[in-house]
Amino acid sequence: AQSVSQHNHHVILSEAASLELGCNYSYGGTVNLFWYVQYPGQHLQLLLKYFSGDPLVKGIKGFEAEFIKSKFSFNLRKPSVQWSDTAEYFCAVKFGNEKLTFGTGTRLTIIP
Amino acid sequence: NAGVMQNPRHLVRRRGQEARLRCSPMKGHSHVYWYRQLPEEGLKFMVYLQKENIIDESGMPKERFSAEFPKEGPSILRIQQVVRGDSAAYFCASSSRLRDRGVNEQFFGPGTRLTVL
Repeated sequence: AQSVSQHNHHVILSEAASLELGCNYSYGGTVNLFWYVQYPGQHLQLLLKYFSGDPLVKGIKGFEAEFIKSKFSFNLRKPSVQWSDTAEYFCAVKFGNEKLTFGTGTRLTIIP
Repeated sequence: NAGVMQNPRHLVRRRGQEARLRCSPMKGHSHVYWYRQLPEEGLKFMVYLQKENIIDESGMPKERFSAEFPKEGPSILRIQQVVRGDSAAYFCASSSRLRDRGVNEQFFGPGTRLTVL
């Protein structure tokens, strides 16, 4: 079955630390990949997306993600986090159709 | 330039009542998606609609749940005879008909938090 896994449920970091959030999916075909962020009390916003081309994609707010096809992964990274990055982060995948399949989310807490 | 609108933002119902959730897509968008987020879980796809058509309802429970997206007006997700297990956040997303290299980005609304007493 097609699925998306985010193994880190809750990550706590100090400001200026580097961030990497894992996302893996199970499917051998063509996929489109997304990272969404949900700040406290707000709706989901798109951070970045990948559908073809350069596997390293840049998003908003200094985030980037790398698609590694051989590992079925699309990990989210940021070299230096800020307190304002405290939020919940969702990886989502389109498996060849229109609906998004989401991971369970990773709650990121940044300590000032 | 309003985004996706959902109302109400919070809805409280007693068991057995009906819940109606509304979603107005972004201007120019003709595709609507509904997702449900249960506590401590990610979003789960429910249904995908275009104007007057249900395209994919593979995530909808077989009973009590229905969705529509009429020619005029918002999309409606209806839950009849609600039970406590229906308590969740329901998110609507919309996308345009035009494709950006084959992928439509979905824009999300703020969600409706349904509480069933």
